[in-house]
Amino acid sequence: EPEVTQTPSHQVTQMGQEVILRCVPISNHLYFYWYRQILGQKVEFLVSFYNNEISEKSEIFDDQFSVERPDGSNFTLKIRSTKLEDSAMYFCASNRGQGTQPQHFGDGTRLSIL
Amino acid sequence: QKEVEQNSGPLSVPEGAIASLNCTYSDRGSQSFFWYRQYSGKSPELIMFIYSNGDKEDGRFTAQLNKASQYVSLLIRDSQPSDSATYLCAVLSYNTDKLIFGTGTRLQVFP
Repeated sequence: EPEVTQTPSHQVTQMGQEVILRCVPISNHLYFYWYRQILGQKVEFLVSFYNNEISEKSEIFDDQFSVERPDGSNFTLKIRSTKLEDSAMYFCASNRGQGTQPQHFGDGTRLSIL
Repeated sequence: QKEVEQNSGPLSVPEGAIASLNCTYSDRGSQSFFWYRQYSGKSPELIMFIYSNGDKEDGRFTAQLNKASQYVSLLIRDSQPSDSATYLCAVLSYNTDKLIFGTGTRLQVFP
């Protein structure tokens, strides 16, 4: 069964450094998402992406964050200047369409900011 | 503020019993409802989804939706120790891509 794949599985970064998290969505999916989950807390929506542009973003997704689809397969989340509070699991998800189509999640990247 | 509420648990059931997990949501415009299973340290894994009032069955799992009461539930029949996990309820409102998650209910199935 096709899967969303994420790399790396664990990223350790010094505060203030830039980090790029990578995702390969399921190949016939058109909508891509990033969520995060701080340890012990809810899964929170960050951003959705369709047709090479952001379709929706949350208040968490401020100017420090950006997303890109640099080629036909990868979908990336960049955090420009990381803060301690960015430490979390970051999940990429994808689905075939809006609305009723279920979102399928990757295994996540654990981001640790020192 | 759109909210999804779940009892955090733990809900402890013996092996072979029915586990009943509940979720309420605040936005009457919600159109799609999802149950994800999350093992500790892992990602959410889709279990069931439901869009219409009533019951939807898939193997040992039944999702139930009551839009008038803004209530969705998940029943797990013949619970197994491998079902022990946190079950996340997620809701999608009309005309949005954003899944709103509850805090999850931790289920423990003991032999």
